[in-house]
Amino acid sequence: EAQVTQNPRYLITVTGKKLTVTCSQNMNHEYMSWYRQDPGLGLRQIYYSMNVEVTDKGDVPEGYKVSRKEKRNFPLILESPSPNQTSLYFCASSAASYGTQYFGPGTRLLVL
Amino acid sequence: KNEVEQSPQNLTAQEGEFITINCSYSVGISALHWLQQHPGGGIVSLFMLSSGKKKHGRLIATINIQEKHSSLHITASHPRDSAVYICAVVVSGSRLTFGEGTQLTVNP
Repeated sequence: EAQVTQNPRYLITVTGKKLTVTCSQNMNHEYMSWYRQDPGLGLRQIYYSMNVEVTDKGDVPEGYKVSRKEKRNFPLILESPSPNQTSLYFCASSAASYGTQYFGPGTRLLVL
Repeated sequence: KNEVEQSPQNLTAQEGEFITINCSYSVGISALHWLQQHPGGGIVSLFMLSSGKKKHGRLIATINIQEKHSSLHITASHPRDSAVYICAVVVSGSRLTFGEGTQLTVNP
């Protein structure tokens, strides 16, 4: 089954404790993105990747890092999480730069 | 002012009604997506448009590039259509900018 998976789905952590949210797709897609969704602000793009080792900033990259060492994986790293990073995070992939987006199930993060 | 504006923000309809959700944008785009977010939070892509019109079942999406406007229509609406509908524009490459979404509730 074609899918995008994210782990963990739910995470409660404390300020400053490094965490990684994993994202994996099994569709051999070149393009992958991370988004965060906040009430009243909607979805905003954090980072995106056009291929292995090629990444670029979206609208809200501050406080986040990404890496794309393999085509299927695109982890999101929060080196020192802060409460303002409490949000719902989505990973997505697509076959083309503006192709149909396939979303993961979301990761709900709470930073205390 | 947001680059992508959706209207209405909230919409309540009776089952069977024809529904229109609008999306206007202020920047040049290469494509536009319509997404559906279920009450459980999952997001599904409905359409990707770069011109004209697309239809899938009871859903129709149109885009007018010159007027920087797109519409999503739902014919014969059903309670299972209740969801948040999100417009997203592709500004360049893989850069996406989203509208805030339209909360649709269809009552039986």
